[in-house]
Order: sequence, then structure tokens, then C-alpha cells
Amino acid sequence: KAGVTQTPRYLIKTRGQQVTLSCSPISGHRSVSWYQQTPGQGLQFLFEYFSETQRNKGNFPGRFSGRQFSNSRSEMNVSTLELGDSALYLCASSLDSGSYEQYFGPGTRLTVT
Amino acid sequence: AQSVTQLDSQVPVFEEAPVELRCNYSSSVSVYLFWYVQYPNQGLQLLLKYLSGSTLVKGINGFEAEFNKSQTSFHLRKPSVHISDTAEYFCAPRTGKLIFGQGTELSVKP
Repeated sequence: KAGVTQTPRYLIKTRGQQVTLSCSPISGHRSVSWYQQTPGQGLQFLFEYFSETQRNKGNFPGRFSGRQFSNSRSEMNVSTLELGDSALYLCASSLDSGSYEQYFGPGTRLTVT
Repeated sequence: AQSVTQLDSQVPVFEEAPVELRCNYSSSVSVYLFWYVQYPNQGLQLLLKYLSGSTLVKGINGFEAEFNKSQTSFHLRKPSVHISDTAEYFCAPRTGKLIFGQGTELSVKP
């Protein structure tokens, strides 16, 4: 079974631009969660989607948004990029919203200049 | 509210020595507990989990952890480490969402 895939793997953007990251979960998994990882703040939960609905949300500004499609693939969008948004963005999938085990993708490394 | 503390940010150890990575959590409700490992430039991989039942759980790569409810701890142990165990380790309790500790960088030296 293929694992969680994230595209692109690396991205360089300029302040003020917007970016869209994509995540394809493991086949059959319906829940997708997003995390931001930085050296200073560590791993922080962004949001979780299940059946195209946002189930949980972390403490991030409204510039961070996401969505999930009917095939469970998910995208997250960051508008008006700031230097502090430079991070590794990790996507994790699980069977459903109540499942305990999450399987992580390799991440998208976003650099904002 | 749920929180987690990994008591050591860095743990240097020699190859074949035992190691313990410490994790304490606080939660007002029952939690499920996980340890993840992250190798350089990779995502997170699940090492082991505690959901219920036996308080001693065994995971991959020879790691094990013990759930101690009274001390609200979930320390990770390995009796003999290898160079390949060099990585960052994250403790993560979960009630609704998964909350990660700050990570412990395990450095195994020859």
C-alpha cells in the first residue's frame, strides 16, 4: 500500500505570496491532519479534515486554511506569506477521525524569502 | 487542557548502551499515548502506542515504553542502542487532536 504523499517536497516563495500544498492520504484513509514543524515552535497542529469537513483546528491565523476533496485528498493554503511561515509542513492520514494512529508523509519544506 | 513535556532536549549515548527518553503529560481526561521518531529530512514514523491494557508496550526497532498513570509518564527505553537510532523522538498524547512534545534528539556515538 502506498504511503502518504505530499507535493511539492520543496518550495521557495516570496513574502506576500500565497502557496498551496497537497496531500494524498493512504488509500482508504478518510482523515487528514496538517502540522507545522519549526525549530522554535516544534510540531504544531494546524487542522484536521474528515469527510470534507474540518473537525479540529489549531491556533493559527486565518491566513492558514485547508480543504478536503471527496477522494480524501487534502490541500492547505497559506495566503500573504510571512518569513515566519518558513517550516516543514507535515500531513498525516488515519482511517477515520476517531482512529488513534496517524501515518505521516515526508513533508513539504517551505522557505519564504 | 492537555500538555506534554519531554524532559531532555538532547541525549548523547554510546553505541550498545541503554537509553531512556523521558516524557510527562498532563490531561484532565484519559489519553492515548504515542512515540514517534523522525530521521533527518523525513516525516514521522510511529514507534509505539498505548491505548489501553498492559502498561508496558513494545514497539519497532527494539523500543518499549511504560505507561505510569500515577506519575503521568510514558518514558521510552531501549536496552542497547545502535548508531542507526540517531534521530529525534517525539512523545505525543492524544485526546482529540495529537499534541507533540518538543522532541528529544538522541545522538548515538560509536
